[in-house]
Amino acid sequence: EADIYQTPRYLVIGTGKKITLECSQTMGHDKMYWYQQDPGMELHLIHYSYGVNSTEKGDLSSESTVSRIRTEHFPLTLESARPSHTSQYLCASSEFTGISGANVLTFGAGSRLTVL
Amino acid sequence: AQSVAQPEDQVNVAEGNPLTVKCTYSVSGNPYLFWYVQYPNRGLQFLLKYITGDNLVKGSYGFEAEFNKSQTSFHLKKPSALVSDSALYFCAVRPHSGAGSYQLTFGKGTKLSVIP
Repeated sequence: EADIYQTPRYLVIGTGKKITLECSQTMGHDKMYWYQQDPGMELHLIHYSYGVNSTEKGDLSSESTVSRIRTEHFPLTLESARPSHTSQYLCASSEFTGISGANVLTFGAGSRLTVL
Repeated sequence: AQSVAQPEDQVNVAEGNPLTVKCTYSVSGNPYLFWYVQYPNRGLQFLLKYITGDNLVKGSYGFEAEFNKSQTSFHLKKPSALVSDSALYFCAVRPHSGAGSYQLTFGKGTKLSVIP
C-alpha cells in the first residue's frame, strides 16, 4: 500500500465554497504533484513541487492553488468552487534516483470532488 | 510536445488467454516509458518502465512490455490473463531532456476486462 494519503476521498459541495484537498506522504519524497483525472481522459498535471517553498503550474490551466511548507504536505485549494471543477484529483510523489526522468510516481487514492 | 495514444478504450480477453494493451508515443529524442494500473477507487500503481537497453521490460504481476523505437510503441503484454488483472491501464512518456522533460504525459487509459 502506498504511503501517500489524500483526504477527503469524496466531497460534495455547493458552488462558491472554498475547499482544500489534503495530501501527505511519509516517504520523504522531494517531488510532489497534483493531477486531474476525468473519465476517458488523460491525467493532466495541474501543479507540481520540487521541494519546500517550490511550486509550479502544470500543463492544464487550473484555478486552484497549492502550497509546500513542509516536505510531506502538499494541499490543493479552490477558493470558490464551480461545477466545472467536478473531477477526481490525484496526488503523487517521487524521489530523485539519479535519472530524474525515470522517477516512478507513487499515487494517492484520489479525492473525488463534486460541485453542485 | 510529447503525446501518448492508447487506441483501444476497452480490451476484453478470456481468462488464461494472452493479453495486449497497445500504446504508441510521440516525443522529441529518446523516451522514458511507463505503464501504470488503476484499480477501482484507487490511485495509479506503477507496473514497469523502460529507460534504456533491453527492449523487453519485465514488471510486476507477470506483465511485460516491448519497446519498439521504429514503431514508437510500448505495448503491454501478459502471457496468461487473470480476472484480477481487470483494471484501467495507463501508458506514460517523458523525454530524456529538453522542453517537457519535467512532465510525465499520460494516455487516456485502456480498460481491461478479463472474462472468467
